[in-house]
Amino acid sequence: NAGVTQTPKFQVLKTGQSMTLQCAQDMNHEYMSWYRQDPGMGLRLIHYSVGAGITDQGEVPNGYNVSRSTTEDFPLRLLSAAPSQTSVYFCASSYSKGAHSSTDTQYFGPGTRLTVL
Amino acid sequence: EDQVTQSPEALRLQEGESSSLNCSYTVSGLRGLFWYRQDPGKGPEFLFTLYSAGEEKEKERLKATLTKKESFLHITAPKPEDSATYLCAVQAGDSNSGYALNFGKGTSLLVTP
Repeated sequence: NAGVTQTPKFQVLKTGQSMTLQCAQDMNHEYMSWYRQDPGMGLRLIHYSVGAGITDQGEVPNGYNVSRSTTEDFPLRLLSAAPSQTSVYFCASSYSKGAHSSTDTQYFGPGTRLTVL
Repeated sequence: EDQVTQSPEALRLQEGESSSLNCSYTVSGLRGLFWYRQDPGKGPEFLFTLYSAGEEKEKERLKATLTKKESFLHITAPKPEDSATYLCAVQAGDSNSGYALNFGKGTSLLVTP
């Protein structure tokens, strides 16, 4: 298994440009999520999905869109990039959203480092 | 509001010098407490999940413990390869939170030879 994969690894955008960060997992996980990590702050949840066709907002959703058309993929779209979106973005997945067991452990991808000028 | 505080922010140890990292938390209905390791430029790597007070888990030189208010990550006889940032996260037990992980800011550990 490749686990959680993310592309691209690095990206530079100009203010106002749009782009999609890709995330895929091959573990048949139900739950997928996007976090951003900024210096001096903990990882913060942007959006999450509990299964194909179902998404919801996290702590910092403004300026981002998501969709979940398949179990495997969970892309994150920046509609009109702003310098405040300069960050490192991590995608995570877990098998179960509700079971009180090790199946709800979230596994993270390698990250995408985004710079918005 | 759920809060996770990790201390110290940074820790420098000599090889073989054991120590502990602290994660104190407030959460309504703890579902689980997670420890991750993060190397520079990489994603968080899962270490442990603890579900209830009194629980302990071990892996090589690391041992994680949990009380009702805090968790400790004990590092016994660390080696330079243990140098990393250690992240603590709590997961609340209700679906309204999206089962999100609420992360602390991490402890940056440096182990020198």
